[in-house]
Amino acid sequence: QVQLQESGPGLVKPSETLSLTCSVSGGSISSSSYYWGWIRQPPGKGLEWIGSVYFSGTTYYNPSLKSRVTVSIGTSKKQFSLRLTSVTATDTAVYYCARERVGADDSFDLWGQGTMVTVSS
Amino acid sequence: DIQMTQSPSSLSASVGDRVTITCRASQSISRYLNWYQHKPGKAPKLLIYAASSLQSGVPSKFSGSGSGTDFTLTISSLQPEDSAAYYCQQSYSTPYNFGQGTKVEIK
Repeated sequence: QVQLQESGPGLVKPSETLSLTCSVSGGSISSSSYYWGWIRQPPGKGLEWIGSVYFSGTTYYNPSLKSRVTVSIGTSKKQFSLRLTSVTATDTAVYYCARERVGADDSFDLWGQGTMVTVSS
Repeated sequence: DIQMTQSPSSLSASVGDRVTITCRASQSISRYLNWYQHKPGKAPKLLIYAASSLQSGVPSKFSGSGSGTDFTLTISSLQPEDSAAYYCQQSYSTPYNFGQGTKVEIK
């Protein structure tokens, strides 16, 4: 079955760029049935949707992060990525990648295990 | 933005109890409401989509109802494995906001 796995540095310095990759196994990222998204959870807080990308490259972002975020499909078509620039301590969170169903419900029906990213010097 | 408010923020109930969690949207979202279960260190799991549709593989003890601004998630007979945080999420419009979560504990 389809599985998602996040990877990337666990520690990022303030003002630098956070870069994460989500590897998709057991299925195709080029399906027209899904978007591919990123969601984060700061320590002790709730879930925040960051943004999503379609296999065609179409993206949409949370306006609260839009100026700093890029979500993109990898050239191998088996990965998608998150870039978050100019990070601060408030970007410390567990970052999840997730599959978003296109159409009637736009729910996130499959998630990765998450990866903790700490912003600190 | 559409704000989602869950209540209660936490609850403690006994095995076998019927548990209800409420989610309220700041404006009408029709039935674009999803529920997730999240256990520590695990991937969140979709339970209910479109307010009341049970995700494949999810036990029928979970059910959802509501439309417009008011929604509920019900666990018909609470079991120890149901100890988790539960989140609602609106998918009516972006940004897709989540509720703040309800932590369910077993007495």
